[in-house]
Amino acid sequence: EVQLVESGGGLVKPGGSLRLSCAASGFTFSSYSMNWVRQTPGKGLEWVSSISSSSSYIYHADSVKGRFTISRDNAKNSLYLQMNSLRAEDTAVYFCARESLDVRGGGKYYFDYWGQGTLVTVSS
Amino acid sequence: QSVLTQPPSASGTPGQRVTIACSGSSSNIGSNTVNWYQQLPGTAPKLLIYSNNQRPSGVPDRFSGSKSGTSASLAISGLQSEDEADYYCAAWDDSLNGWVFGGGTKLTVL
Repeated sequence: EVQLVESGGGLVKPGGSLRLSCAASGFTFSSYSMNWVRQTPGKGLEWVSSISSSSSYIYHADSVKGRFTISRDNAKNSLYLQMNSLRAEDTAVYFCARESLDVRGGGKYYFDYWGQGTLVTVSS
Repeated sequence: QSVLTQPPSASGTPGQRVTIACSGSSSNIGSNTVNWYQQLPGTAPKLLIYSNNQRPSGVPDRFSGSKSGTSASLAISGLQSEDEADYYCAAWDDSLNGWVFGGGTKLTVL
């Protein structure tokens, strides 16, 4: 059974830092790209960052570029999000999500498994 | 302001058919496939439709998706009370080099 378990959320002051982790199990972690997606309380989903299976390709949303860094450790089956210079608007539930490729080909991707999320609150 | 545009709400009675639209542009829906996610209250999003119109194993065939040009839609037939949830469309955006989501549609079963 595929499982994604996030941890590391909490209360942090503006300007502070936090490192989120996502522990993966039930699949070959090193074969999949992974993502972080966040959801502001009561609002919609916002993609944050993507990392390819071997960390060759990394993308960040403009809203977090230069402040957040996505990384992974395939030996530990773990995904990370280092968040620096946190702002009030970064307050959200952060989900990790596995990215899969449509087996029919054509470069079609989708998020097929999501963790339960971890809450990050940025407040003084 | 989300890159993909969805109506904030939709509603229907049990047994009815409802559709939820998702509008984008040439850099996202126009050139990539659309995925739909269902989020029940207090839970993580769940994949509902991928690659415009494919259902993952376990998703009832009451749910269907389609895409035309820079728009997509999700249709739910035979509406049931358990379908009451938030629905999000998503696609990769070639200009932003990132995934974009719709703002979500809250479906109410009357």
